[in-house]
Amino acid sequence: DGGITQSPKYLFRKEGQNVTLSCEQNLNHDAMYWYRQDPGQGLRLIYYSQIVNDFQKGDIAEGYSVSREKKESFPLTVTSAQKNPTAFYLCASASGNSYNEQFFGPGTRLTVL
Amino acid sequence: AQTVTQSQPEMSVQEAETVTLSCTYDTSENNYYLFWYKQPPSRQMILVIRQEAYKQQNATENRFSVNFQKAAKSFSLKISDSQLGDTAMYFCPPNDMRFGAGTRLTVKP
Repeated sequence: DGGITQSPKYLFRKEGQNVTLSCEQNLNHDAMYWYRQDPGQGLRLIYYSQIVNDFQKGDIAEGYSVSREKKESFPLTVTSAQKNPTAFYLCASASGNSYNEQFFGPGTRLTVL
Repeated sequence: AQTVTQSQPEMSVQEAETVTLSCTYDTSENNYYLFWYKQPPSRQMILVIRQEAYKQQNATENRFSVNFQKAAKSFSLKISDSQLGDTAMYFCPPNDMRFGAGTRLTVKP
């Protein structure tokens, strides 16, 4: 089955630790995105990548880092520099240009204790 | 950059009735797409409907239809015969990844 996966579904970390969220897609999509969603709020764009080995900052990139070494994978690292990392994180992918719909993963709920 | 405004943070509707969610946007682009996504309590984001800005005809998808007013930069979503499964957050991003705050729709039995 084609789709986009995120793991794990729930993640707990101690304050001050870096943590990496996984995002994999087998849809052969060029573009991939990371969003953050806080309770009762919309999605805010963290980073996006339109092609392998290239990515751009979104609206709230501070305290986050990404890599795009493979077309299928776009991991997000939440660093200790992120002031308030507890949130729901969504990954998405899309084919070609921004005229196409985004396909979303199921999300990862990160809780920093 | 494009911006989007959904002026109704929360709405409710009785099952089987019709409801309209509003969305206005700002863009300097001539050709673009507009989308409505829904996010039910499961939090899985799903595409509801898509509108191409250069098409005058409003998009329709079963019980879902849009009223696209390009000059007014308005893109509302009409849900007919509302069902309990329509309860969700609804977002209307233009094609540059800005999702806005959304509208929370509750369908009541």
